[in-house]
Amino acid sequence: RKEVEQDPGPFNVPEGATVAFNCTYSNSASQSFFWYRQDCRKEPKLLMSVYSSGNEDGRFTAQLNRASQYISLLIRDSKLSDSATYLCVVNKRSGGYNKLIFGAGTRLAVHP
Amino acid sequence: NAGVTQTPKFQVLKTGQSMTLQCAQDMNHNSMYWYRQDPGMGLRLIYYSASEGTTDKGEVPNGYNVSRLNKREFSLRLESAAPSQTSVYFCASSEVTTQTEAFFGQGTRLTVV
Repeated sequence: RKEVEQDPGPFNVPEGATVAFNCTYSNSASQSFFWYRQDCRKEPKLLMSVYSSGNEDGRFTAQLNRASQYISLLIRDSKLSDSATYLCVVNKRSGGYNKLIFGAGTRLAVHP
Repeated sequence: NAGVTQTPKFQVLKTGQSMTLQCAQDMNHNSMYWYRQDPGMGLRLIYYSASEGTTDKGEVPNGYNVSRLNKREFSLRLESAAPSQTSVYFCASSEVTTQTEAFFGQGTRLTVV
């Protein structure tokens, strides 16, 4: 079983739609969580960190459920420019060091 | 601001050839990583280095070696390239604390024929 699992999609949605991505992680020792965005043939870039209390950044809302080992990302009022792959990332403590473990990504395509 | 710089951006190798991918960061980060990305597989960790002088295997280390030359530089070497190593390689760096962003280089597109 992969340490971080995501629905690969693609999610095809019209502009203005609300879309939600889910992610599960297997290691309960995981300490911090992130969503990254990756555009086609580009490097991943941080979209937002995910906090236990949930956090919002404009149209984006991230939630963490430690008991269920589940992370979500909600995008409201989708824009064409939101089309990308969204990567769920877990920071795991292992052997005294922190490692970033990436999910395979969920692809989003927003159409007019 | 350079951030994380990877070279080369593109490379074609013949099976059995060797090469070294270079990575340097100017953010004074302690941790550095090498990932490979294949279609449908996402980013898989090859090796990481928590600090200067330390390296450790990730998920897919076979066929690769690394060297943390100093705090800035972390290189990845393919001793005898195989077609299965055709992939996009990303180097990244981050602080060692838990709530921390990783910064990525632009990637190296490697094809082994």
